[in-house]
Amino acid sequence: ILNVEQSPQSLHVQEGDSTNFTCSFPSSNFYALHWYRWETAKSPEALFVMTLNGDEKKKGRISATLNTKEGYSYLYIKGSQPEDSATYLCAFRRGGADGLTFGKGTHLIIQP
Amino acid sequence: EAQVTQNPRYLITVTGKKLTVTCSQNMNHEYMSWYRQDPGLGLRQIYYSMNVEVTDKGDVPEGYKVSRKEKRNFPLILESPSPNQTSLYFCASRNPGTHRFGELFFGEGSRLTVL
Repeated sequence: ILNVEQSPQSLHVQEGDSTNFTCSFPSSNFYALHWYRWETAKSPEALFVMTLNGDEKKKGRISATLNTKEGYSYLYIKGSQPEDSATYLCAFRRGGADGLTFGKGTHLIIQP
Repeated sequence: EAQVTQNPRYLITVTGKKLTVTCSQNMNHEYMSWYRQDPGLGLRQIYYSMNVEVTDKGDVPEGYKVSRKEKRNFPLILESPSPNQTSLYFCASRNPGTHRFGELFFGEGSRLTVL
């Protein structure tokens, strides 16, 4: 059974502050690491798909880094806004597999 | 608009009463999959399909059936639902050709309660 851990489980952040959270995954047989953003009552949507060690990806105020050798990825949000409130899911795909193994998510609440 | 559509979005049913949750995608994706989301757990894969007439078990297939007779549709069938199948269900799809690293496109979820 693959272990994908996300921390923290939940996070309250003041509007305007920056924040980050972690996803750890097996460091062997790596194929891809996904980040999804899931707003309540909506579909989870892909933020990033990361494949190379040292990858850094950015979309607006959100960015992510990847370290496949040690098995972790960070998601950063700069200058948090209320619309950033969501659950952020990471998912690991190992080599040779078709499916994704998801972490439990980090539930982010931005307080005005 | 490119989308994955699930129906019903909400359902309350009773133990043993067969039900089907439909899933349809309009993106011509070959790969489709069903996940369930339970409190305190990550999304867990139930079944997946690499293409028409090809289906495989995921991590938690017990109590579920699927079929893939057409590319766009991938219904999830609960022949005899039990309370432990109360969950939030997501259908997802992807195109292995253009999304070879596996980016999934999700439906909006179907919340099922089995009494």
